[in-house]
Amino acid sequence: EIVLTQSPGTLSLSPGKGATLSCRASQSVSSNYLAWYQQKPGQAPRLLIYGTSSRATGIPDRFSGSGSGTDFTLTISRLETEDFAVYYCQQYGSSPYTFGQGTKLEIK
Amino acid sequence: QVQLQQSGPGLVKPSQTLSLTCDISGDSVSSNSATWNWIRQSPSRGLEWLGRTSYRSKWFNDYAVSVKSRITINPDTSKNQFSLQLNSVTPEDTALYFCARGARSLSAYDYWGQGTLVTVSS
Repeated sequence: EIVLTQSPGTLSLSPGKGATLSCRASQSVSSNYLAWYQQKPGQAPRLLIYGTSSRATGIPDRFSGSGSGTDFTLTISRLETEDFAVYYCQQYGSSPYTFGQGTKLEIK
Repeated sequence: QVQLQQSGPGLVKPSQTLSLTCDISGDSVSSNSATWNWIRQSPSRGLEWLGRTSYRSKWFNDYAVSVKSRITINPDTSKNQFSLQLNSVTPEDTALYFCARGARSLSAYDYWGQGTLVTVSS
């Protein structure tokens, strides 16, 4: 099983700042199979990024993804109040299809 | 627009069977370009993929090892839905359960149900 470890656990930032979220895999993940999701309280996760760097439909371009192998990053430039949520990475390349434990992005 | 609508009881007794259904609109459970998944979320286990069903000339199922002996996911083409059955539940199975579409072109879950909180308690 591929274990995904996200850091930091919590990130406190102010609106307008940039955020960098990390996801490290216990084994190499094909770049085609790394996704990022955003989850707000009481809602299902929402797909942001697939294939490491492709934005899902309707996702603003302040969200970007990068990485390869075992290290992946979600970057959010110019944080808006609606961006404060929990973010999860997920790998789709090897069953079981695992998720990271999440990074909570909170308003400072 | 794809929509997934979940239904099923929110309370199940220990040792009994958890049963949930996910109704699909805007796509087909028999689609060759999708998989149909169950995922749960709890404070102790986080987001946990449980299993999926998909149609590629025939039906395929794939389950997480952690629940493989207890889980069944079935498609129902007549109702365009798929279901989850989890047998012999314990309080550890208490979680928020989601159905989700896996888009083959994206290799990610692009549509999710609204979630069903299932509590295992006597």
